[in-house]
Amino acid sequence: EAGVAQSPRYKIIEKRQSVAFWCNPISGHATLYWYQQILGQGPKLLIQFQNNGVVDDSQLPKDRFSAERLKGVDSTLKIQPAKLEDSAVYLCASSYDETQYFGPGTRLLVL
Amino acid sequence: AQSVSQHNHHVILSEAASLELGCNYSYGGTVNLFWYVQYPGQHLQLLLKYFSGDPLVKGIKGFEAEFIKSKFSFNLRKPSVQWSDTAEYFCAVNAGYSGNTPLVFGKGTRLSVIA
Repeated sequence: EAGVAQSPRYKIIEKRQSVAFWCNPISGHATLYWYQQILGQGPKLLIQFQNNGVVDDSQLPKDRFSAERLKGVDSTLKIQPAKLEDSAVYLCASSYDETQYFGPGTRLLVL
Repeated sequence: AQSVSQHNHHVILSEAASLELGCNYSYGGTVNLFWYVQYPGQHLQLLLKYFSGDPLVKGIKGFEAEFIKSKFSFNLRKPSVQWSDTAEYFCAVNAGYSGNTPLVFGKGTRLSVIA
């Protein structure tokens, strides 16, 4: 069974630029999550989708972050404009029950 | 709000030593409990999980964890560690009442196993 796919794996941008991350969940997983993992911390939820609807985006900084899952399968997370403090690993996870499976993450460095 | 505390930031053990990593959570309701592991250069992988039933759960690679409800704890154990267990370990919890809910993670414990 293929796992959660994410791209790109690494991205370096300058502050105030925009960036987008892509995630393709495990086939059949209706729930998709985006987490942000800052160095030295555990992952923290940014947004949760159930199919193509948002379940929880209470911790998403909506002035600069946006996410969509238009067809209920793959998802895109965007940051515009990026700040230095956005440097982190962005993890995508998917699930069909209580167990979440994680992708390899996208490591973002904002200079 | 849920929170998870992992007591040890960095643990260094010799091969064959026993391991216990502490995890305490704060939540008033029913919870699901997880331990994830992240080996160097790899993604987060599930070690074990507890939903209900026997509070002693066994996971992959010889790991086990015990849920002690009265102490709000879910400590991870392994009787004899190997060099290949060097990794970062994360305890996580989500609400157990219904459906798919987000995970709340601890800050992680880095385990270094030396020969």
